[in-house]
Amino acid sequence: RKEVEQDPGPFNVPEGATVAFNCTYSNSASQSFFWYRQDCRKEPKLLMSVYSSGNEDGRFTAQLNRASQYISLLIRDSKLSDSATYLCVVKRTSNTGNQFYFGTGTSLTVIP
Amino acid sequence: DGGITQSPKYLFRKEGQNVTLSCEQNLNHDAMYWYRQDPGQGLRLIYYSQIVNDFQKGDIAEGYSVSREKKESFPLTVTSAQKNPTAFYLCASSKGVFGTVFHQPQHFGDGTRLSIL
Repeated sequence: RKEVEQDPGPFNVPEGATVAFNCTYSNSASQSFFWYRQDCRKEPKLLMSVYSSGNEDGRFTAQLNRASQYISLLIRDSKLSDSATYLCVVKRTSNTGNQFYFGTGTSLTVIP
Repeated sequence: DGGITQSPKYLFRKEGQNVTLSCEQNLNHDAMYWYRQDPGQGLRLIYYSQIVNDFQKGDIAEGYSVSREKKESFPLTVTSAQKNPTAFYLCASSKGVFGTVFHQPQHFGDGTRLSIL
């Protein structure tokens, strides 16, 4: 079973729409959670960390459900510039140090 | 500005040749990582290092080697044993090791694209 699973999409939504991405992780010992965005042929960039109580950054809201091992990202009022691939990332510590586990990403295209 | 610098941006490898990708960070991060990304696929971990002079194999270490002689530097060598080296290589770093400093994310360099001649 993969460490992190995401719906690959693609999600094609009109400008102004609300869109939600989901992610599940397999190891309950996972400690920290993040959403990254990756533009075509570029490096991943941190979008936001995900905290247990849920957190919001402008149009973006992240939620964590530890019991269900489920993470979500909600984007409100989508902009053309939101078009990218969104990566769900989970961090866990082993006896060899911290490791980050990446989902394969969910592709979003915002249409004018 | 603090950040991670990868060089070169593009690299071409001939048959039987070893090539080295550079990664330097001035963020004072302890941990550094190398990933490979193939088109349309996710990131796969090659090697990682939590402290100087120590590193661990990731999921796809065969055909690659690394060194960590300085905290700031974590070069990756793609050896001739790696038969399918064409990919986008990403170096990352993060603060804290062994569970300390929760919620510290990874920061990425802008990558090196490696192709076979």
